[in-house]
Amino acid sequence: GQQVMQIPQYQHVQEGEDFTTYCNSSTTLSNIQWYKQRPGGHPVFLIQLVKSGEVKKQKRLTFQFGEAKKNSSLHITATQTTDVGTYFCAGRGGTYKYIFGTGTRLKVLA
Amino acid sequence: ETGVTQTPRHLVMGMTNKKSLKCEQHLGHNAMYWYKQSAKKPLELMFVYNFKEQTENNSVPSRFSPECPNSSHLFLHLHTLQPEDSALYLCASSQDSLTGGYEQYFGPGTRLTVT
Repeated sequence: GQQVMQIPQYQHVQEGEDFTTYCNSSTTLSNIQWYKQRPGGHPVFLIQLVKSGEVKKQKRLTFQFGEAKKNSSLHITATQTTDVGTYFCAGRGGTYKYIFGTGTRLKVLA
Repeated sequence: ETGVTQTPRHLVMGMTNKKSLKCEQHLGHNAMYWYKQSAKKPLELMFVYNFKEQTENNSVPSRFSPECPNSSHLFLHLHTLQPEDSALYLCASSQDSLTGGYEQYFGPGTRLTVT
């Protein structure tokens, strides 16, 4: 079945450094969503990408969908302590359901 | 912040108990979901309901029994659970589950511990 992997599993950065998490699907995706889960919280929707090669920005966050629509990335510029949390991608493949990735846990050191 | 509420927030139950988790969404959505989140695995989709009809049962053991009486309410009935069922159970809703392209809104979750 469809699998969605994320790397790295954990990332510790100094405040002000950049951070990138990568999402890879075993199958071609129709679209992909990104969620953030703060420690002790629940996943919160960030963005959705639909088109091949699509790039979207939200302030310091840049999301990219690969040309083959099998991978995606989230890049955070100049991390802040408020960026702490686990970032999940969720890909929608041949079926209607979204498969969540394994997540990348980000820790920002002040 | 969230339009999805879950009760109880914490639950400790023995393996022979029967309990139910409740989820309510105030967003006017038509689809509702149950997820299991444990330390060792990513978010695992358990059940999906669309317009009160179950559209997905992701090979979940029968000791978990969902119920969706209307588009705003979702229950997860639990009985004869195992310690490995201890996890955070998250409810979510979205505008629709079949056409796709809609974000999911998650509730705060129920932290379940099976003793």
